[in-house]
Amino acid sequence: DVKVTQSSRYLVKRTGEKVFLECVQDMDHENMFWYRQDPGLGLRLIYFSYDVKMKEKGDIPEGYSVSREKKERFSLILESASTNQTSMYLCASSLGEDTQYFGPGTRLTVL
Amino acid sequence: QKEVEQNSGPLSVPEGAIASLNCTYSDRVSQSFFWYRQYSGKSPELIMSIYSNGDKEDGRFTAQLNKASQYVSLLIRDSQPSDSATYLCAVNFAMDSSYKLIFGSGTRLLVRP
Repeated sequence: DVKVTQSSRYLVKRTGEKVFLECVQDMDHENMFWYRQDPGLGLRLIYFSYDVKMKEKGDIPEGYSVSREKKERFSLILESASTNQTSMYLCASSLGEDTQYFGPGTRLTVL
Repeated sequence: QKEVEQNSGPLSVPEGAIASLNCTYSDRVSQSFFWYRQYSGKSPELIMSIYSNGDKEDGRFTAQLNKASQYVSLLIRDSQPSDSATYLCAVNFAMDSSYKLIFGSGTRLLVRP
């Protein structure tokens, strides 16, 4: 079974803090994704990566950056957290164009 | 603009009935289609994938794909209260030299005991 893990289920940060969200997958998938999900707005793609040290902007990259130093790990960084970044953050991985498998999600609250 | 459209619901059905969830998409060349189930506060989990026209059955779930009409549906037979969740349709669209999975906004299903 594919397993995607995320470093925290719940996180509370203050405005202006730097926030790191970690995602690890154990199936040697080349593709990894970061989404945020908000009520009424659905899943929105922030960044994705098709290979180590490679990253591509998704639909809403502003205010975020990513890092993929190892194939199994994809990190999302909020350089200076703001209240409008309060959301559910979901990491996913896939092999090629096939099914994306999601981690459990991190519910981030920025105060 | 690549789009995946779903009725937001809620779709309310009695226990034991067939629930029918529908999804339309904007791109004829899409090749792969997915249904995810998402319980409140949880992450999406894959129910079915379908790649060819016609029906694909897995237990109580049947996915139906019609590429000519650009729709994909999910039937849930003998619906149970535990099926109450939001169902997300996702379509892989060809984008330049790669693919992008685009999700619909989801249909909320409520199965009444």
